Amino acid sequence: GAVVSQHPSRVICKSGTSVKIECRSLDFQATTMFWYRQFPKKSLMLMATSNEGSKATYEQGVEKDKFLINHASLTLSTLTVTSAHPEDSSFYICSARYMTDMNTEAFFGQGTRLTVV
Amino acid sequence: SQQGEEDPQALSIQEGENATMNCSYKTSINNLQWYRQNSGRGLVHLILIRSNEREKHSGRLRVTLDTSKKSSSLLITASRAADTASYFCATVPYNFNKFYFGSGTKLNVKP
Repeated sequence: GAVVSQHPSRVICKSGTSVKIECRSLDFQATTMFWYRQFPKKSLMLMATSNEGSKATYEQGVEKDKFLINHASLTLSTLTVTSAHPEDSSFYICSARYMTDMNTEAFFGQGTRLTVV
Repeated sequence: SQQGEEDPQALSIQEGENATMNCSYKTSINNLQWYRQNSGRGLVHLILIRSNEREKHSGRLRVTLDTSKKSSSLLITASRAADTASYFCATVPYNFNKFYFGSGTKLNVKP
Protein backbone atom coordinates (compact mmCIF):
# COMPACT_ATOMS: atom_id res chain seq x y z
CA GLY A 1 0.00 0.00 0.00
CA ALA A 2 0.88 3.64 -0.16
CA VAL A 3 3.22 5.15 2.42
CA VAL A 4 2.43 8.01 4.76
CA SER A 5 5.26 9.32 6.85
CA GLN A 6 4.53 11.18 10.09
CA HIS A 7 7.18 13.06 11.99
CA PRO A 8 8.19 13.23 14.78
CA SER A 9 7.15 9.92 16.29
CA ARG A 10 7.61 11.27 19.80
CA VAL A 11 7.90 14.77 21.17
CA ILE A 12 8.08 16.24 24.64
CA CYS A 13 7.49 19.93 25.02
CA LYS A 14 7.00 22.46 27.79
CA SER A 15 3.63 24.01 28.59
CA GLY A 16 3.03 27.14 26.58
CA THR A 17 5.16 26.18 23.62
CA SER A 18 3.98 25.13 20.16
CA VAL A 19 4.64 21.84 18.46
CA LYS A 20 4.44 21.06 14.76
CA ILE A 21 3.70 17.59 13.44
CA GLU A 22 4.27 16.77 9.77
CA CYS A 23 2.44 14.27 7.64
CA ARG A 24 3.74 13.38 4.20
CA SER A 25 2.39 11.09 1.54
CA LEU A 26 5.52 9.62 -0.01
CA ASP A 27 4.32 7.88 -3.15
CA PHE A 28 0.97 9.37 -3.98
CA GLN A 29 -0.79 12.71 -4.07
CA ALA A 30 -3.14 13.12 -1.15
CA THR A 31 -6.18 15.11 -2.13
CA THR A 32 -7.42 14.84 1.43
CA MET A 33 -5.65 14.47 4.75
CA PHE A 34 -7.23 13.74 8.10
CA TRP A 35 -5.97 14.39 11.59
CA TYR A 36 -7.01 12.21 14.50
CA ARG A 37 -6.40 12.22 18.19
CA GLN A 38 -6.36 8.99 20.17
CA PHE A 39 -6.56 8.74 23.94
CA PRO A 40 -5.13 5.69 25.71
CA LYS A 41 -7.15 2.55 24.97
CA LYS A 42 -9.70 4.64 23.12
CA SER A 43 -10.83 5.13 19.58
CA LEU A 44 -9.60 7.69 17.11
CA MET A 45 -11.35 11.02 17.26
CA LEU A 46 -11.45 12.91 13.97
CA MET A 47 -10.19 16.42 14.58
CA ALA A 48 -10.21 17.91 11.10
CA THR A 49 -10.25 17.20 7.40
CA SER A 50 -8.06 19.17 5.05
CA ASN A 51 -8.06 19.39 1.29
CA GLU A 52 -5.01 20.65 -0.54
CA GLY A 53 -5.01 24.40 -0.94
CA SER A 54 -8.12 25.07 1.12
CA LYS A 55 -8.90 25.63 4.78
CA ALA A 56 -9.34 22.66 7.04
CA THR A 57 -12.79 21.61 8.17
CA TYR A 58 -12.81 21.08 11.91
CA GLU A 59 -15.06 18.74 13.82
CA GLN A 60 -17.37 20.11 16.45
CA GLY A 61 -15.58 20.86 19.68
CA VAL A 62 -12.10 21.10 18.16
CA GLU A 63 -10.50 24.51 18.63
CA LYS A 64 -9.28 25.91 15.30
CA ASP A 65 -6.89 28.36 16.93
CA LYS A 66 -5.46 25.68 19.13
CA PHE A 67 -4.87 23.07 16.45
CA LEU A 68 -3.64 24.78 13.30
CA ILE A 69 -3.75 22.65 10.17
CA ASN A 70 -2.05 23.50 6.93
CA HIS A 71 -2.28 21.43 3.76
CA ALA A 72 -0.05 23.44 1.47
CA SER A 73 0.69 20.75 -1.09
CA LEU A 74 -0.61 17.41 -2.28
CA THR A 75 2.04 15.61 -0.27
CA LEU A 76 2.30 17.56 2.98
CA SER A 77 -0.01 18.53 5.80
CA THR A 78 1.02 19.92 9.17
CA LEU A 79 -0.69 20.09 12.53
CA THR A 80 0.56 22.71 14.96
CA VAL A 81 -0.52 22.45 18.57
CA THR A 82 -0.27 26.00 19.84
CA SER A 83 0.32 27.02 23.45
CA ALA A 84 0.37 23.41 24.48
CA HIS A 85 -1.03 22.31 27.83
CA PRO A 86 -0.64 18.97 29.62
CA GLU A 87 -4.19 18.03 28.60
CA ASP A 88 -3.06 18.19 24.97
CA SER A 89 -0.84 15.20 25.65
CA SER A 90 -2.07 12.45 23.38
CA PHE A 91 -1.36 10.28 20.36
CA TYR A 92 -1.96 12.17 17.13
CA ILE A 93 -2.36 10.28 13.85
CA CYS A 94 -2.64 11.59 10.33
CA SER A 95 -4.06 9.81 7.34
CA ALA A 96 -4.10 10.59 3.67
CA ARG A 97 -6.37 9.67 0.84
CA TYR A 98 -6.26 10.03 -2.90
CA MET A 99 -9.87 10.30 -3.66
CA THR A 100 -11.04 9.17 -7.05
CA ASP A 101 -14.37 8.33 -5.50
CA MET A 102 -15.77 7.70 -2.04
CA ASN A 103 -14.79 4.02 -2.11
CA THR A 104 -11.09 4.40 -1.45
CA GLU A 105 -9.11 3.58 1.65
CA ALA A 106 -7.03 5.91 3.75
CA PHE A 107 -3.37 5.40 4.54
CA PHE A 108 -2.10 6.19 7.99
CA GLY A 109 1.06 7.60 9.43
CA GLN A 110 2.66 5.90 12.39
CA GLY A 111 1.45 8.51 14.83
CA THR A 112 3.06 11.09 17.09
CA ARG A 113 3.13 10.68 20.85
CA LEU A 114 2.96 14.21 22.31
CA THR A 115 3.77 14.76 25.95
CA VAL A 116 3.39 18.24 27.38
CA VAL A 117 5.18 18.80 30.67
CA SER B 1 -16.90 7.36 19.64
CA GLN B 2 -17.93 9.78 16.94
CA GLN B 3 -19.73 7.28 14.80
CA GLY B 4 -20.47 4.06 16.53
CA GLU B 5 -19.63 1.32 18.90
CA GLU B 6 -17.88 -1.97 18.59
CA ASP B 7 -18.27 -5.05 20.64
CA PRO B 8 -16.79 -6.77 22.32
CA GLN B 9 -14.36 -4.21 23.67
CA ALA B 10 -11.89 -6.99 24.29
CA LEU B 11 -11.68 -10.55 23.04
CA SER B 12 -9.24 -13.25 24.07
CA ILE B 13 -9.09 -16.52 22.15
CA GLN B 14 -6.76 -19.41 21.45
CA GLU B 15 -4.80 -19.71 18.26
CA GLY B 16 -6.83 -21.52 15.63
CA GLU B 17 -10.18 -20.26 16.87
CA ASN B 18 -12.32 -17.78 15.00
CA ALA B 19 -12.75 -14.20 16.17
CA THR B 20 -15.87 -12.16 15.51
CA MET B 21 -16.13 -8.43 16.08
CA ASN B 22 -19.22 -6.30 15.60
CA CYS B 23 -19.61 -2.67 14.69
CA SER B 24 -22.68 -0.46 14.84
CA TYR B 25 -22.89 2.98 13.32
CA LYS B 26 -25.24 5.92 13.29
CA THR B 27 -25.62 7.52 9.86
CA SER B 28 -26.10 6.48 6.27
CA ILE B 29 -22.83 5.43 4.77
CA ASN B 30 -21.07 5.21 1.47
CA ASN B 31 -18.90 2.36 2.65
CA LEU B 32 -17.51 0.78 5.79
CA GLN B 33 -13.88 -0.16 6.27
CA TRP B 34 -12.02 -2.24 8.81
CA TYR B 35 -8.58 -1.31 10.07
CA ARG B 36 -6.06 -2.91 12.36
CA GLN B 37 -3.80 -1.12 14.82
CA ASN B 38 -0.84 -2.62 16.60
CA SER B 39 -0.14 -1.03 19.95
CA GLY B 40 1.07 2.56 19.66
CA ARG B 41 1.22 2.47 15.88
CA GLY B 42 -0.69 3.69 12.87
CA LEU B 43 -3.57 1.86 11.27
CA VAL B 44 -3.50 -0.61 8.44
CA HIS B 45 -6.41 -1.04 6.07
CA LEU B 46 -7.90 -4.53 5.98
CA ILE B 47 -11.03 -4.50 3.88
CA LEU B 48 -13.69 -2.19 2.43
CA ILE B 49 -17.33 -3.06 1.93
CA ARG B 50 -19.62 -0.78 -0.04
CA SER B 51 -23.10 0.13 1.11
CA ASN B 52 -24.67 -1.99 -1.64
CA GLU B 53 -22.67 -5.09 -0.68
CA ARG B 54 -23.69 -7.56 1.99
CA GLU B 55 -20.62 -9.73 2.36
CA LYS B 56 -17.00 -9.65 1.34
CA HIS B 57 -14.04 -11.97 1.77
CA SER B 58 -10.32 -11.38 1.80
CA GLY B 59 -8.09 -14.27 2.80
CA ARG B 60 -9.03 -15.22 6.36
CA LEU B 61 -11.25 -12.17 6.71
CA ARG B 62 -14.99 -12.12 6.17
CA VAL B 63 -16.99 -8.93 6.51
CA THR B 64 -20.74 -8.56 6.52
CA LEU B 65 -22.80 -5.40 6.31
CA ASP B 66 -26.44 -4.89 7.23
CA THR B 67 -27.43 -1.35 6.34
CA SER B 68 -30.95 -1.80 7.70
CA LYS B 69 -29.50 -2.47 11.14
CA LYS B 70 -26.54 -0.15 10.60
CA SER B 71 -24.15 -2.87 11.64
CA SER B 72 -21.17 -4.80 10.35
CA SER B 73 -19.16 -7.75 11.53
CA LEU B 74 -15.59 -8.84 10.96
CA LEU B 75 -14.74 -12.52 11.20
CA ILE B 76 -11.14 -13.67 11.36
CA THR B 77 -10.91 -17.39 10.80
CA ALA B 78 -8.17 -19.69 12.07
CA SER B 79 -6.64 -16.92 14.15
CA ARG B 80 -2.92 -16.63 14.73
CA ALA B 81 -0.92 -15.02 17.52
CA ALA B 82 0.15 -12.41 14.96
CA ASP B 83 -3.48 -11.30 14.66
CA THR B 84 -3.22 -9.80 18.16
CA ALA B 85 -4.07 -6.12 17.71
CA SER B 86 -6.92 -3.63 18.00
CA TYR B 87 -9.49 -3.66 15.24
CA PHE B 88 -11.55 -0.65 14.26
CA CYS B 89 -14.40 -0.15 11.88
CA ALA B 90 -14.51 3.14 10.03
CA THR B 91 -17.50 4.57 8.25
CA VAL B 92 -17.50 6.95 5.34
CA PRO B 93 -20.77 8.87 5.64
CA TYR B 94 -22.84 9.27 2.52
CA ASN B 95 -21.54 12.19 0.46
CA PHE B 96 -18.98 13.18 3.05
CA ASN B 97 -15.25 12.83 2.56
CA LYS B 98 -14.55 11.74 6.14
CA PHE B 99 -13.72 8.65 8.13
CA TYR B 100 -15.27 8.10 11.52
CA PHE B 101 -13.99 5.29 13.70
CA GLY B 102 -15.79 2.96 16.06
CA SER B 103 -14.63 2.31 19.59
CA GLY B 104 -12.50 -0.68 18.61
CA THR B 105 -12.06 -4.27 19.73
CA LYS B 106 -8.83 -5.37 21.32
CA LEU B 107 -8.09 -8.91 20.19
CA ASN B 108 -5.63 -11.14 22.00
CA VAL B 109 -4.79 -14.44 20.35
CA LYS B 110 -2.99 -16.77 22.70
CA PRO B 111 -0.44 -19.16 21.21
